[in-house]
Amino acid sequence: AQSVTQPDIHITVSEGASLELRCNYSYGATPYLFWYVQSPGQGLQLLLKYFSGDTLVQGIKGFEAEFKRSQSSFNLRKPSVHWSDAAEYFCAVGQVGEKLTFGTGTRLTIIP
Amino acid sequence: EAGVTQFPSHSVIEKGQTVTLRCDPISGHDNLYWYRRVMGKEIKFLLHFVKESKQDESGMPNNRFLAERTGGTYSTLKVQPAELEDSGVYFCASSQVGMGETQYFGPGTRLLVL
Repeated sequence: AQSVTQPDIHITVSEGASLELRCNYSYGATPYLFWYVQSPGQGLQLLLKYFSGDTLVQGIKGFEAEFKRSQSSFNLRKPSVHWSDAAEYFCAVGQVGEKLTFGTGTRLTIIP
Repeated sequence: EAGVTQFPSHSVIEKGQTVTLRCDPISGHDNLYWYRRVMGKEIKFLLHFVKESKQDESGMPNNRFLAERTGGTYSTLKVQPAELEDSGVYFCASSQVGMGETQYFGPGTRLLVL
């Protein structure tokens, strides 16, 4: 069965510092991978996705993620966080035209 | 282009009552998904429509949940009768067949059953 693990429930980072959110997955086939963000009071917004090709994927808001097949990981990174990045981040895996399987989410707090 | 919309944004009901949630997908999107997040847990899949047909309803928790998508446009999810454990945030997502199938999510409906 497919699963997604986000080992960090809550992360606190200083504004301007770098960020890495971890995501590991278990999936039988080559997966499609996604990162979504949910800001307070908002819905889920797609940050980036990986379908195939270059394993380093660029997304919106300065985020990037790297697909590492050997480690079954798809970690999200940002070189310098802004206060507006405070939100909850979800990693998800799926296939074309099928349901997504989500991790439990990582809540990001930014301190000045 | 309008995004996925959901109504209501919040609902507070008593145990045993009925609630109906509505989702309007992005125009032209044949795929429509329902998901639910119970507090502190992961977002879990409930079911998937392709146009008006149920493609996958493996995530529906029990027969108190009924989803419909008449005419292949908007969808409703009815919970009858509601139980305490049904509280959570219900998300709807839609995607267009053949366009990378990226799922676009609505803002969610926050349901509280007392």
